[in-house]
Amino acid sequence: EVQLVQSGEEVKRPGESLKISCQGSGYRFGDYWIGWVRQMPGKGLEWLGTIYPGDSETRYSPSFQGQVTLSVDKSVNTAYLHLNSLRASDTARYFCARHVGQGDYSLDYWGQGTLVTVSS
Amino acid sequence: DIQMTQSPSTLSASVGDTVTITCRASQSVNKWLAWYQQKPGLAPKLLIRRASNLQGGVSARFSGSGSGTDFTLTIRSLQPDDFATYYCQQYQTYSALTFGGGTKVDIK
Repeated sequence: EVQLVQSGEEVKRPGESLKISCQGSGYRFGDYWIGWVRQMPGKGLEWLGTIYPGDSETRYSPSFQGQVTLSVDKSVNTAYLHLNSLRASDTARYFCARHVGQGDYSLDYWGQGTLVTVSS
Repeated sequence: DIQMTQSPSTLSASVGDTVTITCRASQSVNKWLAWYQQKPGLAPKLLIRRASNLQGGVSARFSGSGSGTDFTLTIRSLQPDDFATYYCQQYQTYSALTFGGGTKVDIK
């Protein structure tokens, strides 16, 4: 069974940094792109970027370029989302999801989401 | 970026109704469009990809159509479990994926 399991809820202060993890299982982790999606409270879905675990090739949304960093550790089948210099506006739920592949960039399996609260 | 506009933003319907949600792209995305269902507090669920391909395990009451800039998601015989928010997503430009703003389907 394909699963993506994300790290737990985080509460941070403004200016702090954060790393969210997303561990895949049940499939060849290195063969599928992993995307990250943000959902602010009561709002819609926003694509942050996507990484290919096979070679760490990364694509970022122009709207989030420079604000987020994606990385991956194939040895533990885990992708990471790094957020630096957190602001209150980074308060959101963050999802990782697997792209279908073979040129199809829809997202077929999703993590459970990680709720991030940034507050002083 | 390709902008995705969904309508309506909210839709009130009754169990048994057939509902249609539309998604319009600011430029052609060919058939590179997906539909997702999301319930409060949960991750989105892929319903349809490549505009009309039903994802495995998804009820055949869901169907998608369209190509280019105009797409629809139709839900036949609405069931209580279908009340949720629906999003379209384009992936024509795989370096700039974008979602529609969402359509909330609630009970009339």
